[in-house]
Amino acid sequence: DAMVIQNPRYQVTQFGKPVTLSCSQTLNHNVMYWYQQKSSQAPKLLFHYYDKDFNNEADTPDNFQSRRPNTSFCFLDIRSPGLGDAAMYLCATSREQYQETQYFGPGTRLLVL
Amino acid sequence: AQSVTQPDIHITVSEGASLELRCNYSYGATPYLFWYVQSPGQGLQLLLKYFSGDTLVQGIKGFEAEFKRSQSSFNLRKPSVHWSDAAEYFCAVVNNNDMRFGAGTRLTVKP
Repeated sequence: DAMVIQNPRYQVTQFGKPVTLSCSQTLNHNVMYWYQQKSSQAPKLLFHYYDKDFNNEADTPDNFQSRRPNTSFCFLDIRSPGLGDAAMYLCATSREQYQETQYFGPGTRLLVL
Repeated sequence: AQSVTQPDIHITVSEGASLELRCNYSYGATPYLFWYVQSPGQGLQLLLKYFSGDTLVQGIKGFEAEFKRSQSSFNLRKPSVHWSDAAEYFCAVVNNNDMRFGAGTRLTVKP
């Protein structure tokens, strides 16, 4: 029973071409997170939503945006992908913020050509 | 600065041998502590967590971890490693709504 679903699993885009990654959850959790993980590195938090409240990390580039139209869905928009944005993007959810267990999706691997 | 350190980038153990993965943190107060495992191309799965109480925590897949306040450590252990344990392991720490992951330790299991 999938709980955090990410689509697509692999995404190829061109340099500068906007791309949207999708995440959905069946857990009815309040919080949804987006992480960027580059090869052999720790996941890096980009931003999170607590319900409809958006919380951006201070060092997240403006190129990265997010939308949460309802409890179940959250989107990551990369407005003008650069080569340095190629990474695994992980979505996670938790019932409440941070100290609660986070449940991760399988990730979307983004390739920028 | 607050940080999470996993000193071992890569560990190789033989199947059936014991395992200990190290995690140290530098926070003023006792944070919330987690261990996650990531198989290749997959998301992260929670192994165990420590919030308070008994400092020895049992998790899934036969893993356990011990919180040692005096050493600011939360090391992960398993008495007998299976080939399926080969993966990347991340320690994570939450303090005052600031969540940080360690850089990870890659575990290779030899037959």
